[in-house]
Amino acid sequence: ETGVTQTPRHLVMGMTNKKSLKCEQHLGHNAMYWYKQSAKKPLELMFVYNFKEQTENNSVPSRFSPECPNSSHLFLHLHTLQPEDSALYLCASSQEGRTGPFGNTEAFFGQGTRLTVV
Amino acid sequence: AQTVTQSQPEMSVQEAETVTLSCTYDTSESNYYLFWYKQPPSRQMILVIRQEAYKQQNATENRFSVNFQKAAKSFSLKISDSQLGDTAMYFCAFMSPRGQNFVFGPGTRLSVLP
Repeated sequence: ETGVTQTPRHLVMGMTNKKSLKCEQHLGHNAMYWYKQSAKKPLELMFVYNFKEQTENNSVPSRFSPECPNSSHLFLHLHTLQPEDSALYLCASSQEGRTGPFGNTEAFFGQGTRLTVV
Repeated sequence: AQTVTQSQPEMSVQEAETVTLSCTYDTSESNYYLFWYKQPPSRQMILVIRQEAYKQQNATENRFSVNFQKAAKSFSLKISDSQLGDTAMYFCAFMSPRGQNFVFGPGTRLSVLP
C-alpha cells in the first residue's frame, strides 16, 4: 500500500465511449502525474500537476483530458480513444523534502488502471 | 529535456549473489533527485531507493545501494544477496526540482535464478 489509489483497476471501453480514470492520494503531496505504460515502451509522462496547476503536457492527444480539482485528486478523462491507447495508466504523486529544499523527497505510484480499447 | 538511459535490457543473477544495474542521465540542472523503482509482475511500482543530487553520500536501503557519480551523471543500483523476490523490472528515474519533470529510463528486466 503506497497511499496512492487508482480506480478502476481494469477498464474496457469502446472507441465512442467516454470514461474517466481516478487517482487519489492523502499523503499531503503537492505534485501528481499521469503516465502511460505500453508493452515494450518506456513510461511516457503525460501530465504533471504541481500545486493543482498543470505544468507539463508533453503533446498528449486531446482525447486525453486531465483534471485536478484539488491537490489530493487527479482525473484523466477519456473520449473517442483508439485501440493503440490500450495500456497501463499509472498515477504518481510526489513531495519535495519536508526537512529542507532537497531532503526526504519521495514519490509513490498507484497500482495502475489497465485500459483496453475495443 | 532530461533523458534517462538504462543500457541493460535484461540481466540475470544467481540467488545470494550481487548484481549491479546501470543508469545514466542527462541534465543541465545542478539540483535534482534520482530514484530506482521496482515493478514486479503485479505491476505495482515500488520505490526501492532515492538519492538527492546535492548529497555526496551514496544512499543505502538494506540490501540495496547506489553508486552516484554526479560528474559522470551515473546512478547505478547494487543489489546484494539477491533473492527470488527481487525478480522484476527495474526503472531508473530523474526528477527535477519541484517535480515538474519526472522521467524514467526504459527499464532493466532482472531475473534471480535459484
